[in-house]
Amino acid sequence: QVQLVESGGGVVQPGGSLRLSCEASGFSYSSYGMHWVRQGPGKGLEWVSFIWYDGSKTYYADSVKGRFTISRDNSKNTLSLEMNSLRDEDTAVYYCARGPHQPLNLDHILDLWGQGTLVTVSS
Amino acid sequence: EIVLTQSPATLSLSPGERATLSCRASQTIDIYLAWYQQKPGQAPRLLIYDASKRATGIPARFSGSGSGTDFTLTISSLEPEDFAVYYCYQRKTWPPLTFGGGTKVEIK
Repeated sequence: QVQLVESGGGVVQPGGSLRLSCEASGFSYSSYGMHWVRQGPGKGLEWVSFIWYDGSKTYYADSVKGRFTISRDNSKNTLSLEMNSLRDEDTAVYYCARGPHQPLNLDHILDLWGQGTLVTVSS
Repeated sequence: EIVLTQSPATLSLSPGERATLSCRASQTIDIYLAWYQQKPGQAPRLLIYDASKRATGIPARFSGSGSGTDFTLTISSLEPEDFAVYYCYQRKTWPPLTFGGGTKVEIK
């Protein structure tokens, strides 16, 4: 079954840290770039970060640059998002999503999404 | 950063009616626009990519059109399961990839 399953969400105090994970199955994970997208409570979708299929390049939204780190382990079919210096405005459901089939394809069509994991930043 | 503006914010229609949703980009994005459907408590679902191509398994009542800065998602005849929030999304220029603010299609 082709799917993405996120985990690691929870409640954290402002300034704290959290690590999210996304486990992929049913497709050739190591051939795809991967994204994190978040959605604040009652809000729209916000792209957070992207990592190349081999982990060689990473990209971030300005709102998280310097605080979040995306990484992947292709031997375990997992994607991670390390989140530090968390702020109230980071409260959101975080989704992992499949990106382009690389390296030749750079079409960021997010065609497969996980169910999301909720991160709440609150004192 | 490319800003996507969706209109209207809310569309109140009855089952069987035609829905027309708009998305305008702050600069040209050629055809690199996609549409997603999201129901409460669920992840977004890809409907349309590259402005007019239906994703796998998407019913023919969903169609997309447009290029440059103006795009439209049309649902020809609303089914009960189509009442949801719809987001447009651009991949022409990044980072950042950007989404519109959404259009809620609600039952009248």
